[in-house]
Amino acid sequence: DVVMTQTPVSLSVSLGGQTSISCRSSQSLVHSDGNTYLYWYLQKPGQSPQLLIYKVSNRFSGVPDRFSGSGSGTDFTLKISRVEPEDLGVYYCYQGTHYPRTFGGGTKLELK
Amino acid sequence: EVQLVETGGGLVQPGRSLKLSCVASGFTFNNYWMSWTRQAPGKGLEWVASITNSGGSTYYPDSVKGRFTISRDNAQNTLYLQMNSLRSEDTATYYCTRGGPHYWGQGVMVTVSS
Repeated sequence: DVVMTQTPVSLSVSLGGQTSISCRSSQSLVHSDGNTYLYWYLQKPGQSPQLLIYKVSNRFSGVPDRFSGSGSGTDFTLKISRVEPEDLGVYYCYQGTHYPRTFGGGTKLELK
Repeated sequence: EVQLVETGGGLVQPGRSLKLSCVASGFTFNNYWMSWTRQAPGKGLEWVASITNSGGSTYYPDSVKGRFTISRDNAQNTLYLQMNSLRSEDTATYYCTRGGPHYWGQGVMVTVSS
């Protein structure tokens, strides 16, 4: 199974500040079709996860440009700039390249 | 607007069965793969099952293979998850998802306990 390792486990940030989350996979996430199926989700307290970024760097509909994704192969990063109160929650990376599909363990973003 | 509404959760004894349903609206259901993902209380996310848009192929992790069955009725825009031989470790909120997954339902709670 592909292990998705997220760091850090928790993050404290000031409103208006910027931060980043790392996600590393135990195998390359490049699919045989040439795409890299690495996704980022935010789960706000008491809510379902919501998609932020798909295929490494594509922002989903309605996601502000404060969120950006980058990376390749096995090493990926989610950057959040100008942090706002609604950005707080748990962030997960996910790989949709290999079976079984797997998620990272999550990174909790809190206010400093 | 894409909507995914799960039903069928509840309290069930170990070893028993339960069937979840997910009614989809706001998109052409038979154009998309669908999946189930679960989240144990206070824990992370775990992929449970996926099905192709036609229903011709299904995929499972080892943790549920042979016990859970994903299926769909494209005429009724409904996704199902038949869960047999339930264990305490299956206790979780189960989410119906579309595609990537790009969209998630609100989730339904399943508690396996005697």
